[in-house]
Amino acid sequence: EAGVAQSPRYKIIEKRQSVAFWCNPISGHATLYWYQQILGQGPKLLIQFQNNGVVDDSQLPKDRFSAERLKGVDSTLKIQPAKLEDSAVYLCASSFPDTRFSGNTIYFGEGSWLTVV
Amino acid sequence: DQQVKQNSPSLSVQEGRISILNCDYTNSMFDYFLWYKKYPAEGPTFLISISSIKDKNEDGRFTVFLNKSAKHLSLHIVPSQPGDSAVYFCALITPNTGKLIFGQGTTLQVKP
Repeated sequence: EAGVAQSPRYKIIEKRQSVAFWCNPISGHATLYWYQQILGQGPKLLIQFQNNGVVDDSQLPKDRFSAERLKGVDSTLKIQPAKLEDSAVYLCASSFPDTRFSGNTIYFGEGSWLTVV
Repeated sequence: DQQVKQNSPSLSVQEGRISILNCDYTNSMFDYFLWYKKYPAEGPTFLISISSIKDKNEDGRFTVFLNKSAKHLSLHIVPSQPGDSAVYFCALITPNTGKLIFGQGTTLQVKP
């Protein structure tokens, strides 16, 4: 079974530039998450989709971050304009929707590493 | 407001000995607790979990203990192996949405 695919793996941009990250979840997984992991911290949820609807975007900095999930499959996370503090790993995860989620049903991709200089 | 705290950024143990990783949480509303393991340049992978109705869950070399009154959980790895060297994250999960709230992580180094 193919895992969660993310691209690009690494990106270096200057501040005020824009960047986009792509995620392809595991086939059949209706729930998709984007997490931000800053060095030395644990991952923090940015946005959660159920199919192509947003379930939780309470911690997404909406003035500069946007995300979409067209057709309920692939998702794109965009940052515009980037700031130095956006340097982090952006992790995509997916899961079957369930009446009761458990950790062993949530699968993470390898992450997209962003450095803003 | 840090709901999940892992106060030890790093831990070093000798191969064959026990590794004990600790985690404290503040919100009693959560009833399911997890540990994730993360190797460099990879995403976190699920390791073991425990429900609040239990105080211990064991899976091979890995055992998680939960002390609800102290709002504390710990992960024991016995015996530790060099391949266990990784970052370990404690996490709480919102069971109806699957939202994970992670601690800061503890880097475990197991020396041969």
